Amino acid sequence: DAKTTQPPSMDCAEGRAANLPCNHSTISGNEYVYWYRQIHSQGPQYIIHGLKNNETNEMASLIITEDRKSSTLILPHATLRDTAVYYCIVRVRLVAGKSTFGDGTTLTVKP
Amino acid sequence: EAQVTQNPRYLITVTGKKLTVTCSQNMNHEYMSWYRQDPGLGLRQIYYSMNVEVTDKGDVPEGYKVSRKEKRNFPLILESPSPNQTSLYFCASSPPGTGKNTEAFFGQGTRLTVV
Repeated sequence: DAKTTQPPSMDCAEGRAANLPCNHSTISGNEYVYWYRQIHSQGPQYIIHGLKNNETNEMASLIITEDRKSSTLILPHATLRDTAVYYCIVRVRLVAGKSTFGDGTTLTVKP
Repeated sequence: EAQVTQNPRYLITVTGKKLTVTCSQNMNHEYMSWYRQDPGLGLRQIYYSMNVEVTDKGDVPEGYKVSRKEKRNFPLILESPSPNQTSLYFCASSPPGTGKNTEAFFGQGTRLTVV
């Protein structure tokens, strides 16, 4: 399973875009990039996932480099409620198969 | 409402007293999994199941058992709990596949303290 590297913490001003990077240089061809977030100690919440094309949904955009060795999660207009720990996980499937999360990035959105 | 329900939400127990944490999902998902989370760390997978009667070890299975007799339920069993199993536990479920609408849903967590 590919390992991921994320910065431990980031700050973002409210209303600005939050760009969260993730390095996954050992990603395999059939592994997806998944992003989840965890607010306080609640259950993680799905944000977005992709294989090689950029993806966008109502929550965020996911930009994957052409060589697939890194990606960026973009929250276009961060709010205080986006303060959370963001996890980047690279797996074929998240729940079925070994899928331990890394330590993630703590994003703090400031007024 | 689609949800994963864990019970209990909080539990304090003594060393060696067998306990079961239940997990139930109402989305007819094939895949289910248990994780533990210790302070300041990410989730570590304990066991997972790909369908009824099909289970496998995750990264930290020692001291835990699971069973999958019905599709909707995936209980986590601690036969002889020890203080190092004090942790926050999460159950998750997802449908098979990797395309859209295959995301995992997580329960709200069970905070277990073993004294």
